[in-house]
Amino acid sequence: GQNIDQPTEMTATEGAIVQINCTYQTSGFNGLFWYQQHAGEAPTFLSYNVLDGLEEKGRFSSFLSRSKGYSYLLLKELQMKDSASYLCAVSVSGGYNKLIFGAGTRLAVHP
Amino acid sequence: KAGVTQTPRYLIKTRGQQVTLSCSPISGHRSVSWYQQTPGQGLQFLFEYFSETQRNKGNFPGRFSGRQFSNSRSEMNVSTLELGDSALYLCASSSRDKDTQYFGPGTRLTVL
Repeated sequence: GQNIDQPTEMTATEGAIVQINCTYQTSGFNGLFWYQQHAGEAPTFLSYNVLDGLEEKGRFSSFLSRSKGYSYLLLKELQMKDSASYLCAVSVSGGYNKLIFGAGTRLAVHP
Repeated sequence: KAGVTQTPRYLIKTRGQQVTLSCSPISGHRSVSWYQQTPGQGLQFLFEYFSETQRNKGNFPGRFSGRQFSNSRSEMNVSTLELGDSALYLCASSSRDKDTQYFGPGTRLTVL
């Protein structure tokens, strides 16, 4: 079966750091994506991990451990505009471009 | 480069009707995937097309179908609409297998 878990909601303060975790159990693995989705808008691509380790991109970093089926998205220097849902998605083997999504983590950033 | 475009942006239909949604991928992208997003189920994969061929299909009833044209534009069709089909329908395009998928703005379908 395919299962991707992430926390439903998180809150954080402007300027702080927040880590959003994602665990997965899927039939095969070709890579893990993080997307950001503001209310009423389309998901936008944030990061992609296929090998173990940390990928850094500005204020956003993403980490992957394939042996543990675990990833996290780290957001630094939080801004109000970072209030959004963050979606973890796994590209599964043999699935060409099929992504399995987690339910998403709704992040609220407060002043 | 222009992004993924979807038309129409909003649709209101009644039960039993059918609907066709359109998606134009980023120029040069040959893969188009369709997803349904609802508050209860999140984002769920519908199907994927590449070079006019359906390569993958999710767990949706046969009422949901799609096709892709030679210019990579794709359409999805839902027949005999049900209330539960109310959702945001998103398409995404990518240039090659296992590559990043870029999403369009979606079509918000409401079934009354």
